[in-house]
Amino acid sequence: QKEVEQNSGPLSVPEGAIASLNCTYSDRGSQSFFWYRQYSGKSPELIMFIYSNGDKEDGRFTAQLNKASQYVSLLIRDSQPSDSATYLCAVKGTGGYNKLIFGAGTRLAVHP
Amino acid sequence: DAGVTQSPTHLIKTRGQQVTLRCSPKSGHDTVSWYQQALGQGPQFIFQYYEEEERQRGNFPDRFSGHQFPNYSSELNVNALLLGDSALYLCASSTPDSIDTQYFGPGTRLTVL
Repeated sequence: QKEVEQNSGPLSVPEGAIASLNCTYSDRGSQSFFWYRQYSGKSPELIMFIYSNGDKEDGRFTAQLNKASQYVSLLIRDSQPSDSATYLCAVKGTGGYNKLIFGAGTRLAVHP
Repeated sequence: DAGVTQSPTHLIKTRGQQVTLRCSPKSGHDTVSWYQQALGQGPQFIFQYYEEEERQRGNFPDRFSGHQFPNYSSELNVNALLLGDSALYLCASSTPDSIDTQYFGPGTRLTVL
């Protein structure tokens, strides 16, 4: 079992729709969760982090965390073609320090 | 305020050669982590440097080594290059107050022929 799992996609949504990206993790002791956006050929860009169960909203983005189900999700409202990218879910490794464990990413395609 | 910088941008090497990649962290950041991202995969943690010492390491062989300098900049060295070392190498820096958020540099694309 991979430590962080994501559906590779592509997830195709029409412009203006809500895109829902999902991630599961295996270490029940994990406490910190991150979503990065990566455009083709570029480096990952941090867009959200969440530590507590529930929802966290930032503009068009909402991160959702359910530690009991070991599940993290990212919702993108009013999706735009510029949101087309790979979205990486990352979990802070347990045992101290801030090593990040990444999933393989979900490719999102927003079509006009 | 300059972000994380890396050099070179691209590099082509042949099998068996050695390579050194460089990273300068964001101003005010003192912790540097290195990641390897193969095509179609998420970044994989190589190691992390703090106060000029390696304090955590991922599942990478000893061919991968690093260094951190007093100004917090860092180098990643890879010896005896293999074709499988071809990847995007990412440096990430963080602050003492926000150790849970890492900011990535633009990366170095290494191609091993």
